[in-house]
Amino acid sequence: TQLLEQSPQFLSIQEGENLTVYCNSSSVFSSLQWYRQEPGEGPVLLVTVVTGGEVKKLKRLTFQFGDARKDSSLHITAAQPGDTGLYLCAGEKNAGNMLTFGGGTRLMVKP
Amino acid sequence: KAGVTQTPRYLIKTRGQQVTLSCSPISGHRSVSWYQQTPGQGLQFLFEYFSETQRNKGNFPGRFSGRQFSNSRSEMNVSTLELGDSALYLCASSRDSDNSPLHFGNGTRLTVT
Repeated sequence: TQLLEQSPQFLSIQEGENLTVYCNSSSVFSSLQWYRQEPGEGPVLLVTVVTGGEVKKLKRLTFQFGDARKDSSLHITAAQPGDTGLYLCAGEKNAGNMLTFGGGTRLMVKP
Repeated sequence: KAGVTQTPRYLIKTRGQQVTLSCSPISGHRSVSWYQQTPGQGLQFLFEYFSETQRNKGNFPGRFSGRQFSNSRSEMNVSTLELGDSALYLCASSRDSDNSPLHFGNGTRLTVT
């Protein structure tokens, strides 16, 4: 059983559409991170959210941390083919880089 | 600035053999952590080293071990390989172990036949 549940697992959309990826848990995390991974490469950190209710924006990507620090969402506006990839959320409970990863959302954006 | 370097990129081993994977962190980074990525289980934490000491360990059998050298380079070893050990092994480094961003390498793809 995943401590962090990501949904949806797969998403195929047309260029220009909006989408939201969810990351849910029954556990409280001290911080939550979002990564993007492309084939043949390691995950690349997009953002870290630390405070409950925090919202961070990275160009067309908006990240939100739930008030209770148990869940998070990633919203992409006007998706581009370059957004294609595997999106991973990861929660950290204690210091020590011991991250718990969600199962990932595989996004495909068609031109 | 060079990124996290993992060698080798690909490895094919037979059941029962052992394997050693290497990770060179970003210069100045003292924390190195290892993760296993499989299609079924996703990314799972193996262990983390900081200043040559193992600080955290995930829920993996004792066949999985690691170490860190004084220059922060790290190795992980898997003994008595099983088919289920086939995976992408990812190494990540950070400046320290307290909220510093993780930088992942591109991994070592291990296939056990």
